Amino acid sequence: DTGVSQDPRHKITKRGQNVTFRCDPISEHNRLYWYRQTLGQGPEFLTYFQNEAQLEKSRLLSDRFSAERPKGSFSTLEIQRTEQGDSAMYLCASSFVYEGDHEQYFGPGTRLTVT
Amino acid sequence: GDSVTQMEGPVTLSEEAFLTINCTYTATGYPSLFWYVQYPGEGLQLLLKATKADDKGSNKGFEATYRKETTSFHLEKGSVQVSDSAVYFCALSEVNTGFQKLVFGTGTRLLVSP
Repeated sequence: DTGVSQDPRHKITKRGQNVTFRCDPISEHNRLYWYRQTLGQGPEFLTYFQNEAQLEKSRLLSDRFSAERPKGSFSTLEIQRTEQGDSAMYLCASSFVYEGDHEQYFGPGTRLTVT
Repeated sequence: GDSVTQMEGPVTLSEEAFLTINCTYTATGYPSLFWYVQYPGEGLQLLLKATKADDKGSNKGFEATYRKETTSFHLEKGSVQVSDSAVYFCALSEVNTGFQKLVFGTGTRLLVSP
């Protein structure tokens, strides 16, 4: 068990460019979550997957954002036509759902800076 | 909607001092409550949790009691160490939403000096 990993850890991009982040959850975890954390704030829920199905999306997830989890393992989060307001830490978490505990394990995050 | 309010920081303490970080919540159902900690340069780690009223979560000397009557989940530690310096987040998860979305407070930074 190597924990949740995210790549890249830091990304600097110019406004209008597209960016893609990757999250590798803990193996055997069937749920995967994306959150966004801006400076001085707590993480805010964006979306989550149960295996490969995307089951819930926040209103924060505009049409420029798309997330996938093609084989129920790793996930990608793409932001098209980035804006300065997209600058934030993007956090991924995973959990194994069974009756009772649903603890979410977080990765280190990808810090996005849009210039 | 559901929300979590926690005291603003930074909280500055000397080593071995007593710590309290206040957290209150608003929820329509019966949430589970959590404290997460974020050390510099690291990801969020679950510190402790409580799933029903009057439950006490504890870990690494930290404690928090689920108080339904006051909708609170205050974090306490009897004697803090320099290594406890971090940002602490209170969070809730509605059991009846089915997918366990976490709703976080804004975080409280703790600074402990020797």
